[in-house]
Amino acid sequence: EVQLVESGGGLVKPGGSLRLSCVASGFIFDKAWMSWVRQAPGKGLEWVGRVKSDTDGGTTDYAAPVKGRFIISRDDSRNTLYLQMNSLRTDDTAVYYCTTDMKDRAVATAFDHWGQGTPVTVSS
Amino acid sequence: QSALTQPASVSGSPGQSITISCTGTSSDIGGYNYVSWYQQHPGKAPKLMIYDVTKRPSGVSNRFSGSKSGNMASLTISGLQTEDEADYYCSSYATPSHVFGGGTTLTVL
Repeated sequence: EVQLVESGGGLVKPGGSLRLSCVASGFIFDKAWMSWVRQAPGKGLEWVGRVKSDTDGGTTDYAAPVKGRFIISRDDSRNTLYLQMNSLRTDDTAVYYCTTDMKDRAVATAFDHWGQGTPVTVSS
Repeated sequence: QSALTQPASVSGSPGQSITISCTGTSSDIGGYNYVSWYQQHPGKAPKLMIYDVTKRPSGVSNRFSGSKSGNMASLTISGLQTEDEADYYCSSYATPSHVFGGGTTLTVL
């Protein structure tokens, strides 16, 4: 059974930093492409970014609102995905989910497994 | 990248069928056959219901079906059941990112 368990959320002041973790089990993590998706309170889903597997280049892509502030990384030896969030703003307040990506050749097509999410609140 | 457009709410009675639309552009829905749909119950994580426009993951009821025409995708739920009451989100690949719809609340009357 695929399990994704996020942690690291909490309250942080504007301009601050936070690192989220997502521990994976039940699948071959080092072959998986992984994404972060967030959901602001009472709002819809928003893709944050992705990291590909090392065998597929290990590259990252980010949504425009977080590019240059957020960094996605992975530690395949620990089956763990990370989201380093810097220069946080109040509009980054959301529940952050880690997901596994479905792939079709060189394209990520959907998000098939989701963690339970970890809440991040950016407020003074 | 702008969000995809979904109706805010739809409703139906048990046993009926409903369709939720999702409108995008030629840069997302119209450009790729990579539309997916997610169901989210209150306080829960989203669940993948449809991927690649029409495919259902293992374990998802065949009452759920997807389609696409041009820049618009649709999710149809037939034989509505009370447990189908939830929020539904569409999503599309939009190289190299993904874009979601604003979500549709389904009420089963």
